[in-house]
Amino acid sequence: KAGVTQTPRYLIKTRGQQVTLSCSPISGHRSVSWYQQTPGQGLQFLFEYFSETQRNKGNFPGRFSGRQFSNSRSEMNVSTLELGDSALYLCASSRDGSNQPQHFGDGTRLSIL
Amino acid sequence: AQSVTQLDSQVPVFEEAPVELRCNYSSSVSVYLFWYVQYPNQGLQLLLKYLSGSTLVKGINGFEAEFNKSQTSFHLRKPSVHISDTAEYFCAVSGTSYNTDKLIFGTGTRLQVFP
Repeated sequence: KAGVTQTPRYLIKTRGQQVTLSCSPISGHRSVSWYQQTPGQGLQFLFEYFSETQRNKGNFPGRFSGRQFSNSRSEMNVSTLELGDSALYLCASSRDGSNQPQHFGDGTRLSIL
Repeated sequence: AQSVTQLDSQVPVFEEAPVELRCNYSSSVSVYLFWYVQYPNQGLQLLLKYLSGSTLVKGINGFEAEFNKSQTSFHLRKPSVHISDTAEYFCAVSGTSYNTDKLIFGTGTRLQVFP
């Protein structure tokens, strides 16, 4: 079956702009989690959505937000972009939750100029 | 809350040699443990998991890990590595509540296999 699909793969933005990233989970998976990966901070949990509700949240500012649709597809939005937001953003899905084995997409590489 | 420490940032090894990547965790509650692998320009792929039961866990690509509760460790091993095993390896820990717990990742170990 199809894996987790993230779009776009690469994105270049400038400071102050906002961006929306998309994630389509594996069919039947209701949990979608988002992670930020940077060389300095490693892999950090952003948030998890389950059945259209945010169930878990990491320690990121309110500029980072997300949502999940009825078909389990999820979007992540970052407003007022800062240079430090440059990172690989990974989406992962599972059947039941963010502490279960995760299936990861290939990520969106976001570069802020 | 949980935390995880990967003791080696880089591990160089020759092809066909055995390898061990070390992982220690900290938690006041029961845990799930995972190892993931990341190849360049890709997401993470699950190698193996410990949820309950046997403490010796076998995964894909010939990898295995042993859950040692007294040592709070979950080291990853492979008896004979291949060039294709060159990648970044991440250990992760979580609590057992799927409502409130999430994966906490280590900082990664870069495995470099030389011919």
